[in-house]
Amino acid sequence: NAGVTQTPKFQVLKTGQSMTLQCAQDMNHEYMSWYRQDPGMGLRLIHYSVGAGITDQGEVPNGYNVSRSTTEDFPLRLLSAAPSQTSVYFCASSYWDGETQYFGPGTRLLVL
Amino acid sequence: RKEVEQDPGPFNVPEGATVAFNCTYSNSASQSFFWYRQDCRKEPKLLMSVYSSGNEDGRFTAQLNRASQYISLLIRDSKLSDSATYLCVVNFREGNKLVFGAGTILRVKS
Repeated sequence: NAGVTQTPKFQVLKTGQSMTLQCAQDMNHEYMSWYRQDPGMGLRLIHYSVGAGITDQGEVPNGYNVSRSTTEDFPLRLLSAAPSQTSVYFCASSYWDGETQYFGPGTRLLVL
Repeated sequence: RKEVEQDPGPFNVPEGATVAFNCTYSNSASQSFFWYRQDCRKEPKLLMSVYSSGNEDGRFTAQLNRASQYISLLIRDSKLSDSATYLCVVNFREGNKLVFGAGTILRVKS
């Protein structure tokens, strides 16, 4: 099992550009989520999904979109990048909400 | 007030020392509790769940105090490889969401 994979590992964007962060898992987990991690703060939930076709907002959803067309994939889209979105983004999955989370290796994003 | 609070540290300890971290949480209806470990520039990984009666995994002991709303992690006989950031995680019953503390940095030195 590859577990949770994320691409790209690093990305530099200019303000206003859009991009998609990819996340995939091969553990047949129903629950997937996106977090951002900033210095001095805990991981904050951006969006989550409890199964294919179902998504919902987390604590900090503004500026991000998600979709879940398959169990395996959960991409995160930045609509119009802003410097405030400079962060490390982690995708995670689990069998159900509130259970042990398995994290991907993260994407480091810099918005200039 | 943050929902989950941790002392950021860093805790600098010599090899072989015993070190303890506390974490406080704001919601008394919290359902489950975890400690995650995060190495520098890596993803968080589950270290251990925290059970009401307290639990031990080798050199690591986790305890829960619901009355005072805190959990603790005790590391005995610290190793250099224990150097990492330790994240306290609480599952709040309302909304069934996981809330992460900002982490406590541990540095074990020889």
